[in-house]
Amino acid sequence: GQQVMQIPQYQHVQEGEDFTTYCNSSTTLSNIQWYKQRPGGHPVFLIQLVKSGEVKKQKRLTFQFGEAKKNSSLHITATQTTDVGTYFCAGSEINDYKLSFGAGTTVTVRA
Amino acid sequence: GAVVSQHPSRVICKSGTSVKIECRSLDFQATTMFWYRQFPKQSLMLMATSNEGSKATYEQGVEKDKFLINHASLTLSTLTVTSAHPEDSSFYICSASEDGSSYNEQFFGPGTRLTVL
Repeated sequence: GQQVMQIPQYQHVQEGEDFTTYCNSSTTLSNIQWYKQRPGGHPVFLIQLVKSGEVKKQKRLTFQFGEAKKNSSLHITATQTTDVGTYFCAGSEINDYKLSFGAGTTVTVRA
Repeated sequence: GAVVSQHPSRVICKSGTSVKIECRSLDFQATTMFWYRQFPKQSLMLMATSNEGSKATYEQGVEKDKFLINHASLTLSTLTVTSAHPEDSSFYICSASEDGSSYNEQFFGPGTRLTVL
């Protein structure tokens, strides 16, 4: 079955620095979604990517979908303490209604 | 955005008892809802897809007689953990999308933390 892998599992970042989390699927995806879960909270939708090679930006967050639609990345610039949480990618195969979640990247920030 | 609520937020029960968790879409109709389970510091694992007016679709390895799902209306799905055991202790989260598919943005409920003693 479909597997979505995410690295790194943990990311410790100095405030102000940049970092990237990567998501890879074993199969071609119809779309990929990114969610953020704060400690003690529930996942909150960030963005969806649909097109091959698509790049979307939300302030300091840049999301990218690979040309083959099998990988994605989230890059955060100038990390702030508000960026703390776990970032999940989730994708679904073509003609499949189910979302498969990656293991998540848990981000902590050193002030 | 759309709002999904869950009740209760926390429940502690004795081993062998049953626990019902409710998931409601507050401002939209959800023909399909999804139930996930999340262990500490782990990802979300899809347990089943709840379909309004029909039987739920369970993922491989999820016991349908153990985790009863009822989707009685377009705004309510319930998950009942029957004869709960300590290994059922987990964070249970439901989600729904406005168009009923997983293709678009999922709105997650706040989750229910179940502890079985």
